[in-house]
Amino acid sequence: DAGITQSPRYKITETGRQVTLMCHQTWSHSYMFWYRQDLGHGLRLIYYSAAADITDKGEVPDGYVVSRSKTENFPLTLESATRSQTSVYFCASTGGMGTKNIQYFGAGTRLSVL
Amino acid sequence: KQEVTQIPAALSVPEGENLVLNCSFTDSAIYNLQWFRQDPGKGLTSLLLIQSSQREQTSGRLNASLDKSSGRSTLYIAASQPGDSATYLCAVNLDSGYALNFGKGTSLLVTP
Repeated sequence: DAGITQSPRYKITETGRQVTLMCHQTWSHSYMFWYRQDLGHGLRLIYYSAAADITDKGEVPDGYVVSRSKTENFPLTLESATRSQTSVYFCASTGGMGTKNIQYFGAGTRLSVL
Repeated sequence: KQEVTQIPAALSVPEGENLVLNCSFTDSAIYNLQWFRQDPGKGLTSLLLIQSSQREQTSGRLNASLDKSSGRSTLYIAASQPGDSATYLCAVNLDSGYALNFGKGTSLLVTP
């Protein structure tokens, strides 16, 4: 299916465990983003990527790691999950320069860290 | 740092009313502004995107305006319906390929 998909949709884990959230887009968009959404804070940028093998930190990167070996995939890893990382995580992509730069979002992953 | 503010935080209106949602941003040097809709427990759906050189965009019953110099945008919803009930998010982009800076949203309830 065309679009941007996230998996899993729901995840429960324990403090200290490693968790990887997956994001896949079919448009060959150059730019991809990870945001987290929390009550009272809105959406905040965790990491972003301008192309394969190019990533950079956003506003709240601590405790997260990303990689982008292929244009279409942008996984987010919580190296050692903490309760403060309980949140809803959204992946987004856009074509960037030469396009309208509309950002398209996945359906989100709801993560609970116990 | 770009700050985006949305007022009001919540709004309840009877069906059929026209309504305006407000968004303000502190840095007027934006590339574009995007309005999204978010239903409970769901992802974000892009409604309208206004480039910095544009003054407004329209889609059906929705009209978004942009006054870049004053750092303001409004989303006008005509003849509201219960199906319009959702959270509406405003986000600005400083350049092509950049991440979005989001407001905290306006939660809209349209009652039958």
